[in-house]
Formats: sequence, structure tokens, C-alpha cells
Amino acid sequence: ETGVTQTPRHLVMGMTNKKSLKCEQHLGHNAMYWYKQSAKKPLELMFVYSLEERVENNSVPSRFSPECPNSSHLFLHLHTLQPEDSALYLCASSQAASGDSYEQYFGPGTRLTVT
Amino acid sequence: GQQVMQIPQYQHVQEGEDFTTYCNSSTTLSNIQWYKQRPGGHPVFLIQLVKSGEVKKQKRLTFQFGEAKKNSSLHITATQTTDVGTYFCAARALGGSYIPTFGRGTSLIVHP
Repeated sequence: ETGVTQTPRHLVMGMTNKKSLKCEQHLGHNAMYWYKQSAKKPLELMFVYSLEERVENNSVPSRFSPECPNSSHLFLHLHTLQPEDSALYLCASSQAASGDSYEQYFGPGTRLTVT
Repeated sequence: GQQVMQIPQYQHVQEGEDFTTYCNSSTTLSNIQWYKQRPGGHPVFLIQLVKSGEVKKQKRLTFQFGEAKKNSSLHITATQTTDVGTYFCAARALGGSYIPTFGRGTSLIVHP
């Protein structure tokens, strides 16, 4: 499947680094999501964007900063991360984020390791 | 916030045995979705249930939505090694957020 792509697939960064994760969807969807998946807390919803506006922010630390320049692209800017932020970061998209529930299409994820 | 309890967390079966995972909510649900994540992969949408008592089948997979719309199950008949993975339910509360809440998932391990 190439409907939702994520880059990079793997990232190792130090606690003082600044990096960005990129997600792109080719499905014509209007909603995009960031999830964190770790062994301790599977599939934690971080951010939701609908038509490029942030509609949900689940108490995520400010060291994670999302950006949605258009309905096809979503970024997650990272700075001053902690080792406990090491996880798989998944991007997803759906037709919409309101009204009827729509299935989410997930990207392959970025495996992040913070050293 | 809404909580969705999924059990069991892990299930080991011999190939050919059946498997069932359950998803329970304390509140009435608007609908429920099921996803499968293969090891090293990402969640992939399987199905959505909307109606009370709804039953849907996909080959060896049977999905049920409870009459009270507070629980759901996924049953796999005669498991195969290709069924290995983690199965997640994602539920939307009636009158709640449009964003579904994911359960913790059930990891299925199939022994040949």
C-alpha cells in the first residue's frame, strides 16, 4: 500500500537534536492523525487535523509540535526529546474527522529511538 | 475519557484452533471498528459495525456487535499462521467524539 507514506522510516536522535517526521497521504482525505505506539501504551492518539485545522490535542508535551500545511501533508517536529519518547510514530488519514466514522488508513510508521 | 477494554492481551493457539477477542465499553457505542497489525507492520482496517446485534463475516473471521452496543467480538475459525498479529478494536461513543478510541489490542500467536 502506498496510500499513506512516512519518512524517515527509522530515526535515531539525541536529546538535544531537532528533527521532523513527515507524512503524506495520496487518498484525497480531509483528516490526518498522529499516533504514538509503544509497548507500554499501544496506539496513543496525539493530534488530529481536519481540513488543516487542529481539532484534537491529547495533552501532548510541547516538545512535540505538529504542522499541517495542507490536507495531504502532516509533520511532527521534535525537539529536546526524552528517552521515553522512543516509540513507533504512526500517521493515519481518513475521509473526515466528523460526522460518520470513517476508517483510518495508516502509514508504515517511523521508528524513533532517542539516545 | 472513554475507555475501551480489550481482552485477552495475548492468546497462544495451535494452528487450526479457534480464536476470539473481546472489546467492552461501559458506555453505549455509536459504532466499532476492527484493525489488524501484523508484526513489524501498521494497523490495517478490517471492518466497521454500526447496528445493534450486527454480525459480519469475512472468510474465517466473524465480527459481532452486541445488542446493547456496548461490546463486540472478533472470532477466527481454524486459525492459520497468516492470522498472526495484533487485533485492535476502535470504538466511538454515542454522542461522543467523532474520533474512535483504540483498545490495547489482542496479540495472537499461532503455533504451527
